[in-house]
Amino acid sequence: EPEVTQTPSHQVTQMGQEVILRCVPISNHLYFYWYRQILGQKVEFLVSFYNNEISEKSEIFDDQFSVERPDGSNFTLKIRSTKLEDSAMYFCASMGEMNTEAFFGQGTRLTVV
Amino acid sequence: KNEVEQSPQNLTAQEGEFITINCSYSVGISALHWLQQHPGGGIVSLFMLSSGKKKHGRLIATINIQEKHSSLHITASHPRDSAVYICAGGGRDDKIIFGKGTRLHILP
Repeated sequence: EPEVTQTPSHQVTQMGQEVILRCVPISNHLYFYWYRQILGQKVEFLVSFYNNEISEKSEIFDDQFSVERPDGSNFTLKIRSTKLEDSAMYFCASMGEMNTEAFFGQGTRLTVV
Repeated sequence: KNEVEQSPQNLTAQEGEFITINCSYSVGISALHWLQQHPGGGIVSLFMLSSGKKKHGRLIATINIQEKHSSLHITASHPRDSAVYICAGGGRDDKIIFGKGTRLHILP
């Protein structure tokens, strides 16, 4: 069964450092998403990506965040200068077409210390 | 602004009971996802609905478009069904809005 894979599963980083979270979406999917979930809170939308560009982003997705699809398979989320409040579980998801079933990765737990 | 409201927030039931989790959503949402989040954090898609009813094993999801309401039912519940169940809505804009989730605990 096709699946979305995310690496690493857990990352600990010093405040102010850059992190790159990686995702491999399902190969024939066209829509890609990043979400985050702060411990004990609900899942929040960060950004969507279609046709090699950002299609929607939330207020959370400020200049510290960026996304890329560098090689046609990986989909990355970069946080330039991490803050303590960036500590969360980050989920990648992909969809074949808009408003069809979403497939989620297992998440990357980011801990900023 | 798209919104999704779920109830109840927490639900504890005995093994074998019929479970219902409810979700109300706002006007801009046209597709409704039911997701399951395991204790380890991973999210699994259970259903995507834009109309009618879907069934998979002991899980049933229904949606009433006029009332903007969806329900997730679990028949013959089992302790392994214990998880957080999340309702999430998608609309014409390209994002999914998540409900706060319902924490289900099935007692043996």
